[in-house]
Amino acid sequence: EADIYQTPRYLVIGTGKKITLECSQTMGHDKMYWYQQDPGMELHLIHYSYGVNSTEKGDLSSESTVSRIRTEHFPLTLESARPSHTSQYLCASSDPRGGTSTDTQYFGPGTRLTVL
Amino acid sequence: AQSVAQPEDQVNVAEGNPLTVKCTYSVSGNPYLFWYVQYPNRGLQFLLKYITGDNLVKGSYGFEAEFNKSQTSFHLKKPSALVSDSALYFCAVRVGTGGFKTIFGAGTRLFVKA
Repeated sequence: EADIYQTPRYLVIGTGKKITLECSQTMGHDKMYWYQQDPGMELHLIHYSYGVNSTEKGDLSSESTVSRIRTEHFPLTLESARPSHTSQYLCASSDPRGGTSTDTQYFGPGTRLTVL
Repeated sequence: AQSVAQPEDQVNVAEGNPLTVKCTYSVSGNPYLFWYVQYPNRGLQFLLKYITGDNLVKGSYGFEAEFNKSQTSFHLKKPSALVSDSALYFCAVRVGTGGFKTIFGAGTRLFVKA
């Protein structure tokens, strides 16, 4: 079982609220990712990071932002939530520091967000 | 364009029968190929990967996958399906080393009937 954690697991909030989804990993991985997934559907990469102070937008346009101040922590923030943000958000990490890069990704359990 | 395709939205199989979940890819260079599984209300779990070497790769829970370069395929197989194998399966491909680009397929839902 991979050591990657996401909180909260479920979140229901009203439109316009600012929220932060937390993601932490204890595997010493350099790379971290955020995906958006509607239940049972395909994954869409929204943000990724190669390491501390490195963040990039993914393939899917997103109104969220991320930060990577510490290796183990990769929070995602929505400044003003809208019903269109309702989805599942999956965090993942890969590649131990100093190890051979294969990009095998280890996923957290996900946060299911509902914006009313 | 680089892509990965899972041609079946859903696969139905009876328990005890062999199962195959199909995946084809289109990338330049030598691909790294992966299978992930997602059980209901869970995140994705890594099943197996092909980097180089033997074309038949064995992974978790009795699954295996065969890399076929000429057909650009990486089908997931299991000799005898279990009801507990029912889940959503994703094929993924990454090209090269060091850089970033992993493409996930759209997913195939596997139903194993008792």
